Amino acid sequence: DGGITQSPKYLFRKEGQNVTLSCEQNLNHDAMYWYRQDPGQGLRLIYYSQIVNDFQKGDIAEGYSVSREKKESFPLTVTSAQKNPTAFYLCASSIATSSYEQYFGPGTRLTVT
Amino acid sequence: AQSVTQLDSHVSVSEGTPVLLRCNYSSSYSPSLFWYVQHPNKGLQLLLKYTSAATLVKGINGFEAEFKKSETSFHLTKPSAHMSDAAEYFCVVSDVSTGANNLFFGTGTRLTVIP
Repeated sequence: DGGITQSPKYLFRKEGQNVTLSCEQNLNHDAMYWYRQDPGQGLRLIYYSQIVNDFQKGDIAEGYSVSREKKESFPLTVTSAQKNPTAFYLCASSIATSSYEQYFGPGTRLTVT
Repeated sequence: AQSVTQLDSHVSVSEGTPVLLRCNYSSSYSPSLFWYVQHPNKGLQLLLKYTSAATLVKGINGFEAEFKKSETSFHLTKPSAHMSDAAEYFCVVSDVSTGANNLFFGTGTRLTVIP
């Protein structure tokens, strides 16, 4: 059963702590993406990766970091430098960045207090 | 530059009546356009996509959208709303000019279906 998994579904952290969100795909897609969703603002691109060991900043990369050591995995770390980390985070993948269609995971809701 | 405007933040319809969710786009290139649906606390699911083929695009669950270049619109319609259609809908334009396949999302339209 192919798809994208994100874990955990809900995550709670204290302010000042780094936290890593997991994203795994078994679709054999080269490209992966991280988005942040806030109420009334649609989705904003944080980071994307076109291929293993390569990634690029999106529109709102400050306070976030990623790695792409394996094709299947694209974890996102929300660092203590992110001023307003509470949000819904969505991971997506596509066959390639030249492919139009992205497939989304179920999301992780992060709450930082 | 690419951008998307969803003209209504909230649409409410009665079950069995038509649905119209409006979207206008701005693009410097020949755009690819999408509609995604998101149910509460879930990921996004692709409803339909336009990629320069037929201007009337049919999607899943009875939805369709028409690409109108002269009006820079890509409105989503369904002849008869079902309770299960209640969700958030996003109109999206794709930018492949940077080689990054960035998707530019509208701010979303929340559809409420009244029994």
